[in-house]
Amino acid sequence: EVQLVESGGGLVQPGGSLRLSCAASGFMFSTYWMSWVRQAPGKGLEWVAYIKQDGSETYYVDSLKGRFSFSRDNTKNSLYLQMNSLRAEDTAVYYCVRGGRPLEDAFDIWGQGTMVTVSS
Amino acid sequence: SYELTQPPSVSVSPGQTASITCSGDKLGNKYSSWYQHKAGQSPVLVIYKDQKRPSGIPERFSGSKSGNTATLTVSGTQTMDEADYYCQAWDSSNAVFGGGTKLAVL
Repeated sequence: EVQLVESGGGLVQPGGSLRLSCAASGFMFSTYWMSWVRQAPGKGLEWVAYIKQDGSETYYVDSLKGRFSFSRDNTKNSLYLQMNSLRAEDTAVYYCVRGGRPLEDAFDIWGQGTMVTVSS
Repeated sequence: SYELTQPPSVSVSPGQTASITCSGDKLGNKYSSWYQHKAGQSPVLVIYKDQKRPSGIPERFSGSKSGNTATLTVSGTQTMDEADYYCQAWDSSNAVFGGGTKLAVL
């Protein structure tokens, strides 16, 4: 079964850091571009970042550049999203998704999501 | 920044056809995708590359595009189709989602 399972969400204070993980299974992970998409409470979907198959290329939505870092370990079929200098507006459900090649890919597999709450 | 515009809500009676539009600058030159998002669940891809349907998605879901407007059509709408629907396209290296459309099956 093709599956993505996120972990690492939780409550963090403004200015704090959090590292999300995503474990992939059921497909050849190393051959896919991957992304993170988030949804703030009561809001729509927002793409966060993508990473190329070998991790050599990453790209972030403008509002996040410099605060978030996206990486992957193909030996462990895993993705990581390091989130620093967190703000209240980063509060959202974060989804790990398969796909991310610009201009081409749709996001065809979604994890169950992990909730990140930034609050004092 | 690039924007995709969807109507906030669409209502349809069971068994009828629902159409949800998505418009954006030069969308005619980009691939559009559509996602179904039910409350408490993860989004599901229902249409990609404007009109292709992933395996497992019912045939009543179809996609089309005319000019700079993409349309998701749900034929013979069922109560289980009630959900938020989002269009998505790429603008250079940025993936952009529309604001979402709540489909009510009344």
